[in-house]
Amino acid sequence: EIVLTQSPDFHSVTPEETVTITCRASQNINTGLHWYQQKPNQSPNLLIKYASQSFSGVPSRFSGSGSGTDFTLTINTVEPEDAATYYCFQSDSLPFTFGPGTKVEIK
Amino acid sequence: QVQVVESGGGVVQPGASLRLSCAASGFMFSKYAMHWVRQAPGKGLEWVALLWNDGAFEKYAESVKGRFTISRDNSKNTVYLQMNSLRVEDTATYYCAKGDGSGSYYALDYWGQGALVSVSS
Repeated sequence: EIVLTQSPDFHSVTPEETVTITCRASQNINTGLHWYQQKPNQSPNLLIKYASQSFSGVPSRFSGSGSGTDFTLTINTVEPEDAATYYCFQSDSLPFTFGPGTKVEIK
Repeated sequence: QVQVVESGGGVVQPGASLRLSCAASGFMFSKYAMHWVRQAPGKGLEWVALLWNDGAFEKYAESVKGRFTISRDNSKNTVYLQMNSLRVEDTATYYCAKGDGSGSYYALDYWGQGALVSVSS
């Protein structure tokens, strides 16, 4: 089973800062890595698919990069509504797995 | 627009069974794989099960293998999760999610609002 680790676990930022979240896979997953945003008491929403493809309707301040084992989610000029937990998810190898999540707080 | 709506959650005792349903609309259901993902209270997301668009292949997390069964009825645009021999540790919100393609190796692009399953004596 592929293990995904995320860093940091928690990120406290002020509006308009840039947020960078990393996800590392325990083995090569090519670009089978996706990013989700989950706000409290809501279901997850897809932000970035296949490492760098923006999902329909997602604001352009969200972007993703990486391949192989190292991936990054970047939120440029973060806004108050971006307060959420962010998860990476790999669909390259069964069983699929999620990272533990990164909680982003907006001060 | 794409919608998936879960139902069938509830409170049950350990060892009991429960069946979740997920009704889909707004897309050609028979062309897409479907998944179940769960989230224990205050915890992260755990992928549970996958079923291909035509029902030909299914896969489970080790934690539920042999106890849970995913199935679908393409004539009703519905996917199911039959959960048997439920354990306290199965307590979670269960999400139904649409795959981005017909087979295995795709993103999960649309999610339902979740169904709460509580297993307690």
